[in-house]
Amino acid sequence: GQQVMQIPQYQHVQEGEDFTTYCNSSTTLSNIQWYKQRPGGHPVFLIQLVKSGEVKKQKRLTFQFGEAKKNSSLHITATQTTDVGTYFCAGRTSGTYKYIFGTGTRLKVLA
Amino acid sequence: NAGVMQNPRHLVRRRGQEARLRCSPMKGHSHVYWYRQLPEEGLKFMVYLQKENIIDESGMPKERFSAEFPKEGPSILRIQQVVRGDSAAYFCASSPLTGTGGPYEQYFGPGTRLTVT
Repeated sequence: GQQVMQIPQYQHVQEGEDFTTYCNSSTTLSNIQWYKQRPGGHPVFLIQLVKSGEVKKQKRLTFQFGEAKKNSSLHITATQTTDVGTYFCAGRTSGTYKYIFGTGTRLKVLA
Repeated sequence: NAGVMQNPRHLVRRRGQEARLRCSPMKGHSHVYWYRQLPEEGLKFMVYLQKENIIDESGMPKERFSAEFPKEGPSILRIQQVVRGDSAAYFCASSPLTGTGGPYEQYFGPGTRLTVT
């Protein structure tokens, strides 16, 4: 079945450093979504990518969808302590409604 | 505009009892997803429903689990004869009608933490 992997599983960075998480799907995706979940909280929608090669920016966050629509990345510039949490990608294949969530990357930011 | 509501937030059941989890989607949303999350793990898709219709239940265990989204009232995830392995956080997410202009983001509720003793 479809699998979505994320690397790294954990990342500790010093405040001000950059952070990147990568998402890889075993199948071609129709669209991909990114979510952030704070410890003890619920996932919060960040962005959706639909087009091959699409790049979207939200302040310090940059999201990219690969040309083959099988991988994606989230890059955070100059991390802040408020960036702490687990970042999940969620991919959907054409003809289905369900989203397969990635394994997540847990980010810790050291002040 | 109230967000997605789930209740109860915490639920403790003894083995063999039934657990009933409720989800009220955001106003105007007619589609609901249910996910399960074990500690330190990702979210696992269980079922996708629209009002009065199960669209995709491929992630739901064949036995003991059922879900519904009636015309009136919240979506319900029912777990019969719970076992310790059912202990997890169960999240629902609502989404506007997919189709032209979609797909749309999912808005998650705060989750129900189920503990089976």
